[in-house]
Amino acid sequence: DIQMTQSPSSLSASVGDRVTITCRASQSISSYLNWYQQKPGKAPKLLIYAASSLQSGVPSRFSGSGSGTDFTLTISSLQPEDFATYYCQQSYSTLITFGPGTKVDIK
Amino acid sequence: EVQLVESGGGLVQPGGSLRLSCAASGFTVSSNYMSWVRQAPGKGLEWVSVIYSGGSTYYADSVKGRFTISRDNSKNTLYLQMNSLRAEDTAVYYCARAVAMVRGVIRYDAFDIWGQGTMVTVSS
Repeated sequence: DIQMTQSPSSLSASVGDRVTITCRASQSISSYLNWYQQKPGKAPKLLIYAASSLQSGVPSRFSGSGSGTDFTLTISSLQPEDFATYYCQQSYSTLITFGPGTKVDIK
Repeated sequence: EVQLVESGGGLVQPGGSLRLSCAASGFTVSSNYMSWVRQAPGKGLEWVSVIYSGGSTYYADSVKGRFTISRDNSKNTLYLQMNSLRAEDTAVYYCARAVAMVRGVIRYDAFDIWGQGTMVTVSS
């Protein structure tokens, strides 16, 4: 199975900050990497697919980059509604795996 | 409106069985690949199972041999039959639709529609 790791596991930031979250795969997954946002008690929401493509309706302050094994999710200017947990997910293998998540909270 | 609505969760004793349902509207379940994803209390997301449009199925090692994913095309509904349940199966179970996003000539799949989740508690 492909293992996914994320760093950091949590971070504290202020509104307006630039935030970067890293995701690493245990083997090359090309660009088969998606990012999701989840708020407490809610289902995950797709933000980025294919490593760098913005899902329709998602604000442009979210961006993704990377390929192979190393990927990044960037929030250019953190907004109050962005405080949540973020997960990466690989769709390269039929055995799908998620990263452990990065919780972004208020500093 | 495109949506997924899960049902069937509840309290079950260890070793027991439960069947989850996920009713789809606004799209055809058999035209997409569909998955179940779970989340134990206070933990991250764990993929459980997938059924492809052609009918192929795959499972996480943690549930293989105990859980069965299926669909009823006439009811446009996805199911997860869970047998031999363990305490560690306690979680919110989500069904999710995978949509194919084509960039250039390559197809990428991502979960774009999720249900609201149904809680399964395995306890004596």
